[in-house]
Amino acid sequence: AQSVTQLGSHVSVSEGALVLLRCNYSSSVPPYLFWYVQYPNQGLQLLLKYTSAATLVKGINGFEAEFKKSETSFHLTKPSAHMSDAAEYFCAVTPGSGGSYIPTFGRGTSLIVHP
Amino acid sequence: KAGVTQTPRYLIKTRGQQVTLSCSPISGHRSVSWYQQTPGQGLQFLFEYFSETQRNKGNFPGRFSGRQFSNSRSEMNVSTLELGDSALYLCASSQTAGDNEQFFGPGTRLTVL
Repeated sequence: AQSVTQLGSHVSVSEGALVLLRCNYSSSVPPYLFWYVQYPNQGLQLLLKYTSAATLVKGINGFEAEFKKSETSFHLTKPSAHMSDAAEYFCAVTPGSGGSYIPTFGRGTSLIVHP
Repeated sequence: KAGVTQTPRYLIKTRGQQVTLSCSPISGHRSVSWYQQTPGQGLQFLFEYFSETQRNKGNFPGRFSGRQFSNSRSEMNVSTLELGDSALYLCASSQTAGDNEQFFGPGTRLTVL
C-alpha cells in the first residue's frame, strides 16, 4: 500500500523567495517518487523523479527535491520563485520494483507567487 | 516529436448518456494510462493498457471501460453518465508497461448536466 500527503493546499511566496512544497509518503516497498506541475487547462508535466539513485534530484525550471528515507519525505524546493512558477504541484509515489504499477498522487499544492 | 493528444478537449453531456474519449500517445509509446481528476477526489488512476491489453485497473465501477488499438491509440468509455463523472480526464503515455516516466496529455474536460 502507498499514500502521499502534501502539506498545505496553498503556498504563497513573493517573487524571488524560496519555494518549499512538502510531500510525505508511505510505501510498503522502496518507492519511486515524482513531482509534477500542472498549469491551468493543461495536463501534468514531470518536474523530476527519484528512482533510487542519487537522493538529491535536480529537475527542470530550477527545481530540486531530496529523498529522505528516515523522514519519508520528498520535499520540492526552488531557491528563487518566478511569477511563471505559479501552478498546481503534485507529488506521486509508485512501487520501486515489482507489483502493479499504479501511481498514487497527493492532493496537490497550489503555488501562488506575488510580485 | 508530437506530444500526447486527447480529443475532444471539452465535452458536455447529460445524465444517462454515454461518452467516448480518445487518446493518441507519443509516437513509439505503447502504454497508455487514464486518470480522472476532480476537485474532491484529486487525481485517481483509472486503468493502464499495453499491447491492447488492460494491465492494471483502478477502483472505478464497471461503467468506466477502455480499450487500446494496434496503433497504441486508446479510448475510454463511460456509460450511464452521472453528475459525479464531471471531471478532467487525463491520458498519459509511456514507452513500456509499468514505465515510471509518463507523459500527460492536456485532458478532456467532461461536464455532465
